[in-house]
Order: sequence, then C-alpha cells, then structure tokens
Amino acid sequence: GENVEQHPSTLSVQEGDSAVIKCTYSDSASNYFPWYKQELGKGPQLIIDIRSNVGEKKDQRIAVTLNKTAKHFSLHITETQPEDSAVYFCAASMRRGNQFYFGTGTSLTVIP
Amino acid sequence: DTGVSQDPRHKITKRGQNVTFRCDPISEHNRLYWYRQTLGQGPEFLTYFQNEAQLEKSRLLSDRFSAERPKGSFSTLEIQRTEQGDSAMYLCASSPGEGSDTQYFGPGTRLTVL
Repeated sequence: GENVEQHPSTLSVQEGDSAVIKCTYSDSASNYFPWYKQELGKGPQLIIDIRSNVGEKKDQRIAVTLNKTAKHFSLHITETQPEDSAVYFCAASMRRGNQFYFGTGTSLTVIP
Repeated sequence: DTGVSQDPRHKITKRGQNVTFRCDPISEHNRLYWYRQTLGQGPEFLTYFQNEAQLEKSRLLSDRFSAERPKGSFSTLEIQRTEQGDSAMYLCASSPGEGSDTQYFGPGTRLTVL
C-alpha cells in the first residue's frame, strides 16, 4: 500500500512568520492529497486539498504545492497566528472514494 | 462543526468487555469510513461503506471488530473482548461519494481499555 512520510514532527514559529510542512508518498498512483488540522480532543478538519492534475493551490494564508515527479507535496502557512497552533496531517489517496493514507503529523506551535 | 457526530465521545472499559460505537454521517453522504488513531500517529483506515455495503476492510480489522451500516445511514463499530491494545481514538468520516474525494471527520470516540 501507500506510505506517506511527514516532516518535521514538531515546528515552532514566531507569530507572523511562515510555516512549511513537507510530505512524501511512495505510490505514483496516488492522485488526491488533502491536509487536515487537528486540535486537541477534536477530529481532523480539512483545510486544503490538491489533485494530481494541479501543481499549486492557495486559499488565503494557506497554500499547497505538489511535485508529482518527486512524489512530494507541501503545506505553506503564511502570516501565522496563535490559533494556527495544532497538529497538521497530510494524506494521500489512490482513487476516488478510497481510503486515505495519513502521515504521522506535525505539531505546530505559533509563539505570540 | 462538519456535521458528522459520534457517540459516545469517551468510553472506559475493562479488558474482555464488548463495546459499541455509533457514527451519524452528514445527511445524504453515501460513503462512511472508520479510522483508528493512536497517540502521536495519523489516522489508520479500518473499513468503509458505500450505502449499506461494506466495500473494504483493513488487515487492522481483526475478527474481534465488526462494523455495520444497516440502512445506509448511521454506522456502528463493535469491538468484542477488548484488549489494552485497542485503546485509541476511533474516528468516523463521511463523503458525498459520486465523484467527491473529500472526507469529513467526526470528533471521534476515545476508548480506554483498563
């Protein structure tokens, strides 16, 4: 099956700085890559996603980039705020409706 | 609030007991997924339903686990003869299906097996 690796496992940034989280995947058949934010005691919340026919997608302060050749994708958060502090998970999926394979998570702390 | 609800939110049980969790998906979502998440890890797929049909099961889903979605709406996940290794967060997600990749997660059920 698919193997998704995520780095770094922890990340601390000053408020207003940018944060970048990177993921790699193993199966070139993967074609959908969502990112989730999980706050303590809550379920994962979708924040942005990208499909394999697109190289970049942006939604306000959040952007995701995808490099199919290298099989990696990244989450970029600009102008970070304390409320961005959470655990972020990347995931990959091989076909529509199929299971997600998740990374191990990045704990982001934004220092006021 | 994504609209996926799970009950109970927390469950403490003794080893060897049976437990059952319920998930109510977003209305009219025909796909429903169960994942398990242990501390410090990402969610791991257990099984999924399209309407009432269980289409895929992970190897993680041992014989002690059973899931149902009898009318294609809510789903239940039962664990028989619980073991300490079953302690985890059990997450449910739903998807519209019909060409949508997006999965919306519920708040999870935290299981602690003593």
